[in-house]
Amino acid sequence: EIVVTQSPGTLSLSPGEGATLSCRISQTIGGTFLAWYQQKPGQAPRLLIYGASRRATGIPDRFSGSGSGTDFTLTISRLEPEDFGVYICQQYASSPQTFGQGTKVEVK
Amino acid sequence: QVTLKESGPALVKPTQTLTLTCNFSGFSLSASGMRVSWIRQPPGKALEFLARIDWDDEKFYTTSLETRLTISKDTSENQVVLIMTNMDPVDTATYYCARTYTRWGYYFDYWGQGILVTVSS
Repeated sequence: EIVVTQSPGTLSLSPGEGATLSCRISQTIGGTFLAWYQQKPGQAPRLLIYGASRRATGIPDRFSGSGSGTDFTLTISRLEPEDFGVYICQQYASSPQTFGQGTKVEVK
Repeated sequence: QVTLKESGPALVKPTQTLTLTCNFSGFSLSASGMRVSWIRQPPGKALEFLARIDWDDEKFYTTSLETRLTISKDTSENQVVLIMTNMDPVDTATYYCARTYTRWGYYFDYWGQGILVTVSS
């Protein structure tokens, strides 16, 4: 089973600042089979990015994904108030799909 | 508009069997490439994939829970059912069902709101 590790655990930032979140996979995944989700308290995850860099429908362009192999990044260019929450990456190159433990982006 | 919604008991006792139902709309599970999965999240912990069922009735279970899980579908009723036997307090979690359209990739594009299941005597 592929292990997914996210860092940092928590990011404390102010609205308007940029955020860079990291996701590392325990073994190289062929292609870019990685997704990012946003989760707010009491809510289900929402798909943001798939294929490592493709934005899901309705996701603003301040969200961008990059990376390949074992290292992937989610960048939020300028944080809006609604962007604070937990961000989770998921690999889907190998079954079972596995998730990282999440990075919490909180208001500084 | 794709929607999914989980239903089932909020509380089960240890050793009991849990039956969860995912009712969905906006897509057909008989359409080629469609898949519904169950994923859970213990309080404060990471998401964990449990099981999935495909449009052609192919099923897959996470290895660690394989002996306790059964997934099935009723295409005419737009439902997917997950059965988990021998429940334990460590199974306390929010259980989600989620859709995948495998022709686009194996990510989850729509999720239900989740149902919190507590295992306690």
